[in-house]
Amino acid sequence: AQKVTQAQTEISVVEKEDVTLDCVYETRDTTYYLFWYKQPPSGELVFLIRRNSFDEQNEISGRYSWNFQKSTSSFNFTITASQVVDSAVYFCALPRGGGADGLTFGKGTHLIIQP
Amino acid sequence: GAGVSQSPRYKVTKRGQDVALRCDPISGHVSLYWYRQALGQGPEFLTYFNYEAQQDKSGLPNDRFSAERPEGSISTLTIQRTEQRDSAMYRCASSLANNEQFFGPGTRLTVL
Repeated sequence: AQKVTQAQTEISVVEKEDVTLDCVYETRDTTYYLFWYKQPPSGELVFLIRRNSFDEQNEISGRYSWNFQKSTSSFNFTITASQVVDSAVYFCALPRGGGADGLTFGKGTHLIIQP
Repeated sequence: GAGVSQSPRYKVTKRGQDVALRCDPISGHVSLYWYRQALGQGPEFLTYFNYEAQQDKSGLPNDRFSAERPEGSISTLTIQRTEQRDSAMYRCASSLANNEQFFGPGTRLTVL
């Protein structure tokens, strides 16, 4: 069955620190996508990245980077030089699997960046 | 370049009443999804449509929940005879086929 585990319920760091959010997944599919979404205090869900399981290269976008390790079924997200505006709940997700559409989400990690 | 919109943003209703939640997807998006998100949890899949066809409703909790998308654009999620356990954030998302999903702001439903 599809499963996403975000073991860190809450992380608090001081501004400008680097922080990594962990995501471990289980899937019955041989090829799949992985996603990260951000839910800021305002409540909307903002798409951050979609990653194909074919491509294990790290992805970097500004201060954000993602490390995909198929061997350990992990898709971790790092924020470099964190800012207060990064405070949010971050969700990792993958498709429901077996050709079914829709996503399975983890429980999220609440990231608090203190000034 | 409007995003996904949902209405109402907040809905308070009494137990036993029916509610209808509306989703207006991004123009041209083929697929539309409904999720439910409880406090402190990630969204949970309810159902999805490709065009006007409901492809999968396996996530709907029971037969009080239904959804439609009659013209392949706007969708309505209806909950009949609401119960307190139905209180949650209901989220809609849309996507081009096999692409990332973009979410609306959600409808916060409170059943008293």
